[in-house]
Amino acid sequence: DTGVSQDPRHKITKRGQNVTFRCDPISEHNRLYWYRQTLGQGPEFLTYFQNEAQLEKSRLLSDRFSAERPKGSFSTLEIQRTEQGDSAMYLCASSPRGFTRGDNEQFFGPGTRLTVL
Amino acid sequence: AQTVTQSQPEMSVQEAETVTLSCTYDTSENNYYLFWYKQPPSRQMILVIRQEAYKQQNATENRFSVNFQKAAKSFSLKISDSQLGDTAMYFCAFINGGGADGLTFGKGTHLIIQP
Repeated sequence: DTGVSQDPRHKITKRGQNVTFRCDPISEHNRLYWYRQTLGQGPEFLTYFQNEAQLEKSRLLSDRFSAERPKGSFSTLEIQRTEQGDSAMYLCASSPRGFTRGDNEQFFGPGTRLTVL
Repeated sequence: AQTVTQSQPEMSVQEAETVTLSCTYDTSENNYYLFWYKQPPSRQMILVIRQEAYKQQNATENRFSVNFQKAAKSFSLKISDSQLGDTAMYFCAFINGGGADGLTFGKGTHLIIQP
């Protein structure tokens, strides 16, 4: 198992364009989280999947953002009509089942750094 | 809503010294978990140590230990015998027992270990 992977690692786009990021969690981890991290800040929660179901969305996730996790495996995060304020590191994390029994460590991927020009 | 506060933006100590990073949090939950994560310059977040709120005993992982004061809502991290590889951003984080809201992070402390 190679851990959580994210693709691409870097993305430069022009304002108004659409972008899509992919996250491959650790196999058999049923929980998947997306976070956004801006320079000098801690990550901020965006959304949460349990298997294929999107169970929670932050108010940070505007209508231009959409996330999916088909078949409960990899996940995609799409940003439509990007704005300069969307420039940030987008982090994905996965966690195994049995959360309340203590298996609650979140394993983070390397992130996708988005720059909107 | 939960909040996590780290009041030390940056700390610098000499190699082999002991350093303590501060964290306070605010929540109305009774069932929750606290974490310290390390983010080295390569930026991949790594778990350092975890504390379940229902456990009174402070967690310890090798050179890393916590001082968990539930009534005071304080969760500090002590690093003993600091090493150059400990240089990183350290984030204190909170999650409620259900886990659906994700981690709430503090703003981080940039720890620099000087040779």
